[in-house]
This record gives sequence, structure tokens and C-alpha cells, in this order.
Amino acid sequence: AQSVTQPDIHITVSEGASLELRCNYSYGATPYLFWYVQSPGQGLQLLLKYFSGDTLVQGIKGFEAEFKRSQSSFNLRKPSVHWSDAAEYFCAVGASNAGNMLTFGGGTRLMVKP
Amino acid sequence: EPEVTQTPSHQVTQMGQEVILRCVPISNHLYFYWYRQILGQKVEFLVSFYNNEISEKSEIFDDQFSVERPDGSNFTLKIRSTKLEDSAMYFCASRPQGPSHEQYFGPGTRLTVT
Repeated sequence: AQSVTQPDIHITVSEGASLELRCNYSYGATPYLFWYVQSPGQGLQLLLKYFSGDTLVQGIKGFEAEFKRSQSSFNLRKPSVHWSDAAEYFCAVGASNAGNMLTFGGGTRLMVKP
Repeated sequence: EPEVTQTPSHQVTQMGQEVILRCVPISNHLYFYWYRQILGQKVEFLVSFYNNEISEKSEIFDDQFSVERPDGSNFTLKIRSTKLEDSAMYFCASRPQGPSHEQYFGPGTRLTVT
């Protein structure tokens, strides 16, 4: 069965500082990996995705993530955080079967200090 | 930009009542999903639907739940006899056919069972 672990429940960074949110997955085949962001009371917005190819993927809002197969990780990074980045971030792994259900991690709540 | 829509945004119901949550997926998408998020917890897969039948379902999706695509545009989730523990945010998602496994999420329906 697939699973996703986000070790950090809460992270607080200062505006302008760099950010790294950790994600570890477990899946028996080549994973499809995603990062979604959820602002309070809102739905889930896709930040970026990895299917194959270049292991460093660029997303929206200046985010990037690196797939490391050897570490079963897909960490999300941003070089300079803005106050508007405060939200909850979810890592997810997608099954490669036709149904393609997503399994989400528990989420990391990001707070940004001025 | 096309988006997934969900109605209502908030539904309050009494325990034992039936509820129907409605979703309009993106028009050319062929795979449809329901997920739920209990307050403070991770997003959980409920069911996936393709070609007018369920392709996969989780253990949460028991006999109290059903899904339907009654026409060419709507996708509904019915809970026959709601329980207190059904209180959650319910997200609908859809994706197109093809190699992309990106799912597009709606804004969610908050279901409160009293």
C-alpha cells in the first residue's frame, strides 16, 4: 500500500527566508508525486507534479521540488518565502493504476513571520 | 480557466438524514473522485469513478455511500444515513484521460452532522 509521511506538522519561517518542506513516500513502483497547497477555507491547488524525467521540477509561485528515489523523498523548496505563502501544504503520491487514487500526507502548516 | 465546482459550500444535516453532495467536474475530464478531510486530519480518498462505474474505493466508502453521474455534467456523492463522524470537508476532483495524472480539485463542501 502506498503511504506519505510529512514529518513536520508546523513550520514557521521569516518572510524572505528559504523554505524546505519534507515529504517521504512509500510506493512499490515508480510514483507519481504531487504537492498541493490549501489556504484556510479553500480547496486544494496543485503546486507541482513529478511523473518522470528531470528529477527537479518547477511549479507555480516560485516553488520547486526534487525527487530523490534513493531517499524516497520529494521535498518542496522555495528560495524566498512571502507572507502570502502561509497555508497548509500536502504531499501526495498517485497510484499508477487506472483509478489513480491519491494518498496524501498529513500536511505541513506553514506560518510566515514578518 | 475551467474549474471543478461543488454545491453546496456548506451543508448542515441531522444524524440519520440523507445528503447529496454535488460536483460539476471539468467538462472534458473522464475520471472523477471524491475525497474527504475530517477537521485537522489528512485528506482521504473515498472513491474513483470512470466510464459510469466505480473503479476503486476505500474502506471508508461503505454501503452508506454511493456515487452517481446522473447526466453529462454532474457527479454526486450520496450518504444515505449520516453519522456524526461523517462531518468533514468533502472534495470532488476530476482528471482527463491520458498520461497526466493531475487531479483538479473543487473548493469542497463542508458537511456538518448534528
